[in-house]
Amino acid sequence: GENVEQHPSTLSVQEGDSAVIKCTYSDSASNYFPWYKQELGKGPQLIIDIRSNVGEKKDQRIAVTLNKTAKHFSLHITETQPEDSAVYFCAASIRELVFGQGTRLTINP
Amino acid sequence: GAVVSQHPSWVICKSGTSVKIECRSLDFQATTMFWYRQFPKQSLMLMATSNEGSKATYEQGVEKDKFLINHASLTLSTLTVTSAHPEDSSFYICSARGEGGNQPQHFGDGTRLSIL
Repeated sequence: GENVEQHPSTLSVQEGDSAVIKCTYSDSASNYFPWYKQELGKGPQLIIDIRSNVGEKKDQRIAVTLNKTAKHFSLHITETQPEDSAVYFCAASIRELVFGQGTRLTINP
Repeated sequence: GAVVSQHPSWVICKSGTSVKIECRSLDFQATTMFWYRQFPKQSLMLMATSNEGSKATYEQGVEKDKFLINHASLTLSTLTVTSAHPEDSSFYICSARGEGGNQPQHFGDGTRLSIL
């Protein structure tokens, strides 16, 4: 079955700097790659997603890139703000989502 | 749009009791609903997948008689933890997906279950 590896497990950046989180997947048939943000005590919130027929997608300060050949995809957050602090999960899907291990992002004021 | 409501958000109960958790899609019809379990500082573990009107499909290692799932309508799924014990204490999260291939999955805010 699908296996998703996510790195780093923790990431600390200065406010205003960029943050990058990377994921790799094992099943080349996966065709949908969402990113979720989870704040403490809450459920995951979908922040951006990309499908396998697209290489890059951007939504304001958030962007996702997909390299199907290498089977990896990345989340980029620019101009980080304290409210970006949370745990971020990547996932890959054919039918059901398979999640990465999560990245705890801390934005330092 | 795409709001999933989960209730209750927090439950504390005695060992041996059964607990029901509700998951509702408020503004879309959820063809498929998912139930996850999350331990502290860990990722989400899929417990089961349910399609409206059908029996749930459980992941390996998840006891179907322990975790009863009902998906009776396109907007409601329930998870009942039967005869709960302290080891069942966890954060349970539901998710819903609409009709059509590869629709996004939207999550509820989870239920923290504590069994004394």
